[in-house]
Amino acid sequence: DTGVSQDPRHKITKRGQNVTFRCDPISEHNRLYWYRQTLGQGPEFLTYFQNEAQLEKSRLLSDRFSAERPKGSFSTLEIQRTEQGDSAMYLCASSLGHPGTQYFGPGTRLLVL
Amino acid sequence: QKEVEQDPGPLSVPEGAIVSLNCTYSNSAFQYFMWYRQYSRKGPELLMYTYSSGNKEDGRFTAQVDKSSKYISLFIRDSQPSDSATYLCAMSAGVGGANSKLTFGKGITLSVRP
Repeated sequence: DTGVSQDPRHKITKRGQNVTFRCDPISEHNRLYWYRQTLGQGPEFLTYFQNEAQLEKSRLLSDRFSAERPKGSFSTLEIQRTEQGDSAMYLCASSLGHPGTQYFGPGTRLLVL
Repeated sequence: QKEVEQDPGPLSVPEGAIVSLNCTYSNSAFQYFMWYRQYSRKGPELLMYTYSSGNKEDGRFTAQVDKSSKYISLFIRDSQPSDSATYLCAMSAGVGGANSKLTFGKGITLSVRP
C-alpha cells in the first residue's frame, strides 16, 4: 500500500495524559499537512510542513500541541495534557507541490475521557 | 460567517437520480477547488479538482466552478448506492506555503436508496 498511513487508528486516553500520533506520507511527497475533524464538521487545518520545515500553524494549534517532521519523512503530532475538547479525528495529508492533490490518510480517532 | 458554506443535509435520493451538491465561499483569493468523498470513519478521498472557473467531467461526476458568483457544484449522474457517503467541498488560495492549506465545507451526507 503506497498511500498515506497513520498510526494508531484509534486512541482512548484519560484527560491530562499525553498522546502522540504518527503519519507516514506518500513516498517522495515533500508537503505534509495535519487537519482535525470533529463530528459533523469538515476537516480544519492545523499545521503544514514542507520537507522538514514547519511553515504554518493554525491558531487552533495551542501550546499543548506540537508537530515535527524530522528528516522530511514521517511526521508526529503530540498533544500534551489532553482535554475532552481534543476528542476528534486527526487527519494527515501529503502532497507533491500542487494543492489540488492532497491525499489523506485514514485518520487517528482520539477519545479523551 | 464561515469562509465556505455547504448546503445542509442529509440528502436522500433514489438510485439513478442526478445529484447536485453545492458550496459557496466568501474568500475571493480561493483559486483551487476540490470535492472529497468520505465514507464513515475513513479519511477523505479526492474526487474532483478544478482550477479557477470552468467545468470538469470525470465519468459520472461533473464539477463546476463559478468564481464570479463564488459558487461551486458537484453533479453525480446515475447515482448508485455505493455513492452513499459524505461529500466535502474544499478550496485553497494557492500552490505554495500557507496558501496551499485547504478550507473545507461542513460536508453533506448523501444516501442513495436502491
